[in-house]
Amino acid sequence: KNQVEQSPQSLIILEGKNCTLQCNYTVSPFSNLRWYKQDTGRGPVSLTIMTFSENTKSNGRYTATLDADTKQSSLHITASQLSDSASYICVVSAKYSSASKIIFGSGTRLSIRP
Amino acid sequence: EAGVTQFPSHSVIEKGQTVTLRCDPISGHDNLYWYRRVMGKEIKFLLHFVKESKQDESGMPNNRFLAERTGGTYSTLKVQPAELEDSGVYFCASSQGPGQYFGPGTRLLVL
Repeated sequence: KNQVEQSPQSLIILEGKNCTLQCNYTVSPFSNLRWYKQDTGRGPVSLTIMTFSENTKSNGRYTATLDADTKQSSLHITASQLSDSASYICVVSAKYSSASKIIFGSGTRLSIRP
Repeated sequence: EAGVTQFPSHSVIEKGQTVTLRCDPISGHDNLYWYRRVMGKEIKFLLHFVKESKQDESGMPNNRFLAERTGGTYSTLKVQPAELEDSGVYFCASSQGPGQYFGPGTRLLVL
């Protein structure tokens, strides 16, 4: 069964600190993995997208890693800011499949405290 | 460039009533997707349009849900009659390439 599991479910850190969010998946055959940021009351916004051959990708203070062998990804946030408070969703797509094989994780709710 | 827009932003209806959600994709995007997130769960796929054609509707929960995309522009998702378990946030996304752009969602509450 295609699944995407994220941890932790929620996380609270102080402004300026770093944090790492985890994503494990069983989607096969793998096509790509995306991290989205979803602010409260808004739709998800793409942060990074990685294919099988990529093992790291950065977008400003966000750095995503991918280990296709262990089927794990992480999203590292450096020097957190209050505006980083949001849900972070890992989304994995299967290759040669229709849109129904785009599997969403439940997300990690990140809160940044001043 | 305008993003994906959805209307209404919120809807509160009683069980048995009908609700129609609208999505306007980014201009020129052939692909339009509907997703739903129920309380505490992950976002789940409902269906995918390519222009006006339904490419994949395997995620539609039952025949109370009807999606249309006449003319290949905006899309509507009608729920008739609504049930309590239909409550959630309905997202629309569009794409013309590998990335999907999401709308802000419609929050539906069925009482």
